[in-house]
Amino acid sequence: SQKIEQNSEALNIQEGKTDTLTCNYTNYSPAYLEWYRQDPGRGPVFLLLIRENEKEKRKERLKVTFDTTLKQSLFHITASQPADSATYLCALPYNNNDMRFGAGTRLTVKP
Amino acid sequence: NAGVTQTPKFQVLKTGQSMTLQCAQDMNHEYMSWYRQDPGMGLRLIHYSVGAGITDQGEVPNGYNVSRSTTEDFPLRLLSAAPSQTSVYFCASSYSSERKLFFGSGTQLSVL
Repeated sequence: SQKIEQNSEALNIQEGKTDTLTCNYTNYSPAYLEWYRQDPGRGPVFLLLIRENEKEKRKERLKVTFDTTLKQSLFHITASQPADSATYLCALPYNNNDMRFGAGTRLTVKP
Repeated sequence: NAGVTQTPKFQVLKTGQSMTLQCAQDMNHEYMSWYRQDPGMGLRLIHYSVGAGITDQGEVPNGYNVSRSTTEDFPLRLLSAAPSQTSVYFCASSYSSERKLFFGSGTQLSVL
């Protein structure tokens, strides 16, 4: 069966550091992958989309990689700030109309 | 431009009651969907619609109905609430075949 696993439930890092969140998937062959941010009590907010033919995508202090051989996406935040504290979700298309989400990684950036 | 608006924000039901969660978007998106979010399980798709008059089931459709009479509105109906339907419900819409979903702020539902 299909699975999407995000590396750990929670990560704590110091302000200014870089951290990496992992999204691994099995029994999918996605044409693209998306990352979302979710703050407590709010709906997820779309951050980045990366396609299968793109190795890397950047947006401001965010960098996402997509390795279809390893079936893995890495999400990097550089120069982290307390405002980056949130839950980060990866999502893959199961079919044309069904996005499947990982359970998320809760990131806390301490000042 | 309000985006995706969900009402109510909170709701408590007794087992067996029915209710409708409302969702409206003002972005002229053809695609709309309902997800539920449970701790440790991620978001799971309940139903979706690719346009007015067209709906289909997602991963966990049992106990829920939807209809799409207009592009803007996509209500979710709980027919006979059960404690297993206690969850946070999110409506989402998209303008693209690549999803890039826009989410509402959610409805927290408790079924006693």
